[in-house]
Amino acid sequence: AQKITQTQPGMFVQEKEAVTLDCTYDTSDPSYGLFWYKQPSSGEMIFLIYQGSYDQQNATEGRYSLNFQKARKSANLVISASQLGDSAMYFCAMREARNNNDMRFGAGTRLTVKP
Amino acid sequence: DAGITQSPRHKVTETGTPVTLRCHQTENHRYMYWYRQDPGHGLRLIHYSYGVKDTDKGEVSDGYSVSRSKTEDFLLTLESATSSQTSVYFCAISEGVLAGNEQFFGPGTRLTVL
Repeated sequence: AQKITQTQPGMFVQEKEAVTLDCTYDTSDPSYGLFWYKQPSSGEMIFLIYQGSYDQQNATEGRYSLNFQKARKSANLVISASQLGDSAMYFCAMREARNNNDMRFGAGTRLTVKP
Repeated sequence: DAGITQSPRHKVTETGTPVTLRCHQTENHRYMYWYRQDPGHGLRLIHYSYGVKDTDKGEVSDGYSVSRSKTEDFLLTLESATSSQTSVYFCAISEGVLAGNEQFFGPGTRLTVL
């Protein structure tokens, strides 16, 4: 069974600094997708970034990048130049190709950006 | 933003009563999902639909049923609500199920079962 682990319940970062949110996963399927979502205090789930298991390069979307280390089964989210509006819960998720309707989520990391 | 609405947004009900939550989309996406969010668990899949009248169970389907009679609507029913079903419920839609197809989420419904 697929499993997603986010080991940091809470993180703090100073405004304008970079922060890394950890995510490790477990799967035996060679084809899978990794996702990061942001959930601000207002409650909505916002898609941030995607990485495919066969992608050769790390995904980037603006200030977000995904540090994909396939052999270690980790997919850490890096946020550069943190802003106060980045304070939120962040969820890592994975979907296997063989079970493609079942997206599994980690427990989340609460990021607080300090001014 | 993907056009997804959920109703009601908040509901308080009593143990043993039936509850139906509605998800409505305007994107004409084939795939629709119901998740529940609880502290320490992230989001967990309850049921999903891969077309009109085509549904299947997710990780935590016990105590829930779903129906999809139209592309745009996906209903989640708690036949007899229990306190353990107090949660925030999210609907999601997806255009496809290739590994890269992200899911877009509705605003959520906060359900409290007393």
